[in-house]
Amino acid sequence: ETGVTQTPRHLVMGMTNKKSLKCEQHLGHNAMYWYKQSAKKPLELMFVYNFKEQTENNSVPSRFSPECPNSSHLFLHLHTLQPEDSALYLCASSQRRNTEAFFGQGTRLTVV
Amino acid sequence: AQSVSQHNHHVILSEAASLELGCNYSYGGTVNLFWYVQYPGQHLQLLLKYFSGDPLVKGIKGFEAEFIKSKFSFNLRKPSVQWSDTAEYFCAVINTNAGKSTFGDGTTLTVKP
Repeated sequence: ETGVTQTPRHLVMGMTNKKSLKCEQHLGHNAMYWYKQSAKKPLELMFVYNFKEQTENNSVPSRFSPECPNSSHLFLHLHTLQPEDSALYLCASSQRRNTEAFFGQGTRLTVV
Repeated sequence: AQSVSQHNHHVILSEAASLELGCNYSYGGTVNLFWYVQYPGQHLQLLLKYFSGDPLVKGIKGFEAEFIKSKFSFNLRKPSVQWSDTAEYFCAVINTNAGKSTFGDGTTLTVKP
């Protein structure tokens, strides 16, 4: 049990589909993050939310759309993805912006 | 651009051997430093961290790391590895001024029983 829960664990979607990834943390943290982990590449920070406000978008294509309705929940809305977007998407949270992150198990996304 | 370099992509050791994994970063300002571990089939979890103070920090499971500011390094060490240490290890750096975090590529450690 990590304290950060991601659903679904696995997702297969077509390029024309729309789907959403969900992340929930019960740690009382104020910052939440989306990362992308691809094979043979370092972990890529996609989005950062601090106190529900988006503070960082690392040049992520608009086909990825984050949403943070409250400090415990984070979503990643996906639409018209490409096969190269297939990866493990990790959600994380931290007490404050510069402190250690607690990661979820990830969603293994396959785009066909 | 801020970067983190982990020198070894794959390390293979026998049980009881000593371990040192290298980590160097490129940012010259104030940083917070981390090592994370990902055991097979499990989530990424914190091994140890450095924010300030004693540059030699101790983490879980007998791991330690030393921050050498002049070398921009934060190497991970363990005197005697066990088979259960088989995992992927990631070094991470946060630039505390910008709040920007960067991870290294990761090092896969395989410990042979």
